[in-house]
Amino acid sequence: SAVISQKPSRDICQRGTSLTIQCQVDSQVTMMFWYRQQPGQSLTLIATANQGSEATYESGFVIDKFPISRPNLTFSTLTVSNMSPEDSSIYLCSVQRGGEKLFFGSGTQLSVL
Amino acid sequence: GQQVMQIPQYQHVQEGEDFTTYCNSSTTLSNIQWYKQRPGGHPVFLIQLVKSGEVKKQKRLTFQFGEAKKNSSLHITATQTTDVGTYFCAATGTDKLIFGTGTRLQVFP
Repeated sequence: SAVISQKPSRDICQRGTSLTIQCQVDSQVTMMFWYRQQPGQSLTLIATANQGSEATYESGFVIDKFPISRPNLTFSTLTVSNMSPEDSSIYLCSVQRGGEKLFFGSGTQLSVL
Repeated sequence: GQQVMQIPQYQHVQEGEDFTTYCNSSTTLSNIQWYKQRPGGHPVFLIQLVKSGEVKKQKRLTFQFGEAKKNSSLHITATQTTDVGTYFCAATGTDKLIFGTGTRLQVFP
């Protein structure tokens, strides 16, 4: 298993502002994954964060809107920039352990007014 | 791109009844994983199936991978209120997991 600390657990933000979500893992991992889960929906991969290189973004997600940092092998941040109400979602970081199993952080519930 | 659909979208059952969710892919899968997400929680890994026709059991949960490796099912026998949540299948795409649409299970006591 993996211990993943994610914060903040929830936030209410004003339109046009930015929020940075932090994810700390209990041991080194090569890749960290950022997912978005819109209300009542499934999980959609935003990007894969690799240490020492730029994140790889999925179709529909761009670096200007969701900049990611990966300063070392146990930590990553995701910023949701210039927020609008459509960005209201749960954001989850995750890592792979034991092959392809994914372990998730507790998530960040974001509400944009 | 690859899509993974689940049916039903919602299921309400009386405690003690059985429950099944089905996962279908448009392409052949190398493996399939199942996750459970409790209300207000994050997804938790349940199991991975790799072989064609594979069947695995975890107490009251039975997981099956189709012979053609394009579909999978999760069956819960005699549901309990602790089974409440959303069940997702997830298939390995190119270097990433693609999550199914999910089935939300509600169990009434």
